[in-house]
Amino acid sequence: DGGITQSPKYLFRKEGQNVTLSCEQNLNHDAMYWYRQDPGQGLRLIYYSQIVNDFQKGDIAEGYSVSREKKESFPLTVTSAQKNPTAFYLCASSPTGKDEQYFGPGTRLTVT
Amino acid sequence: AQSVSQHNHHVILSEAASLELGCNYSYGGTVNLFWYVQYPGQHLQLLLKYFSGDPLVKGIKGFEAEFIKSKFSFNLRKPSVQWSDTAEYFCAVKPLSGNTGKLIFGQGTTLQVKP
Repeated sequence: DGGITQSPKYLFRKEGQNVTLSCEQNLNHDAMYWYRQDPGQGLRLIYYSQIVNDFQKGDIAEGYSVSREKKESFPLTVTSAQKNPTAFYLCASSPTGKDEQYFGPGTRLTVT
Repeated sequence: AQSVSQHNHHVILSEAASLELGCNYSYGGTVNLFWYVQYPGQHLQLLLKYFSGDPLVKGIKGFEAEFIKSKFSFNLRKPSVQWSDTAEYFCAVKPLSGNTGKLIFGQGTTLQVKP
């Protein structure tokens, strides 16, 4: 079954801890994206990667970090520097030359 | 800055009513346009897209959208909604120059269809 998996579905952390969200795809897509979804604000781009070993900041990258060591994987680390980390995080991918993005099921992160 | 605006934040309709959700964007150049839908508990999925050609595009589940270039709009329509259309709907725009693949999303519209 081809698709994008994100784990875990729900994640709870204490303030001050870094946490890494997983995103894996077996669609052979080159580009991958991380979004944050908050009520009434739509999806905001955190980081994106168009090719392995390369990534760029999106609109709200502060307090986040990523890596892209493998084509299939694009993990997102929410650091303690992120002031308001509680949110729903969505990972997406798209094939080379195509604009439509395919989304994973999301991870809901709660930091208390 | 480029932006996408969805004017209706929360829409409540009865079954069989007609639906129109507004989407406007601020970008003067050529764009690709998308509507995504997020059903409760499900992945965000593509509803329809416009790249070029006929400005009236048809998507899945009876939805359609019309691109009006002069109004910078891409409104979503459905003649008769069903309870199963209850979901959150997102308009997205991809400018075709200087954008490196990024989609710009609107704030989303929550549609609630009453049986």
